[in-house]
Amino acid sequence: SYELTQPPSVSVSPGQTATISCSGDELGDKYVGWYQQKPGQSPLVVIYQDINRPSGIPERFSGSNSGNTATLTISGAQAVDEADYYCQAWDGSSYVFGTGTTVTVL
Amino acid sequence: QVQLQESGPGLVMPSETLSLTCTVSGGSLTNFYWSWIRQPPGRRLEWIGFIYHTGNTNYNPSFKSRVTISQDTSKSQFSLRLRSVTAADTAIYYCARHEEEGSGTSFDYWGQGTLVTVST
Repeated sequence: SYELTQPPSVSVSPGQTATISCSGDELGDKYVGWYQQKPGQSPLVVIYQDINRPSGIPERFSGSNSGNTATLTISGAQAVDEADYYCQAWDGSSYVFGTGTTVTVL
Repeated sequence: QVQLQESGPGLVMPSETLSLTCTVSGGSLTNFYWSWIRQPPGRRLEWIGFIYHTGNTNYNPSFKSRVTISQDTSKSQFSLRLRSVTAADTAIYYCARHEEEGSGTSFDYWGQGTLVTVST
């Protein structure tokens, strides 16, 4: 089955840039979505189709996807951005989610 | 504003059938896809399957032999049945909406999730 791999954790200082990677075989040929999940809450889509931000998502969230790696970037991270982040793609028969990354802002 | 709400038993006996319903308010099932996604404690999200408003379904091969998703459009509800459950099926179960099928899909509305524990 298709696997999406993320680093378990990323730490960032307030105001700095956090970068979260998502690796998968020929991932650049697929569309990737990114979800933010805070403790006790449902996931929230922050990026869809590689680069698009839904209405209401701050501009500091951006995405890219090329080769075998998709990337979520949080520019000017804030304390409110502390959460788990999951990438997601379609592997041809199933929606697959990444292993998840915990972002800590400190 | 579309809202989704899961409902069903929080405890299921091993080997029995897990049954959950998702009620959609603020909109109808028409022209959207409706998925079930679960998250075992401390683990990643796992897609189970979806139903389209026409009744067409698509299931994760990992669950295909055990799962049925159905709908009641008159009640704006869709349901999950997962048979022969084990402790490994203990998870928070979410229902979610998406506008497309396949690549490019994003899940734009989610229920709050409901914890289902499989135990005696």
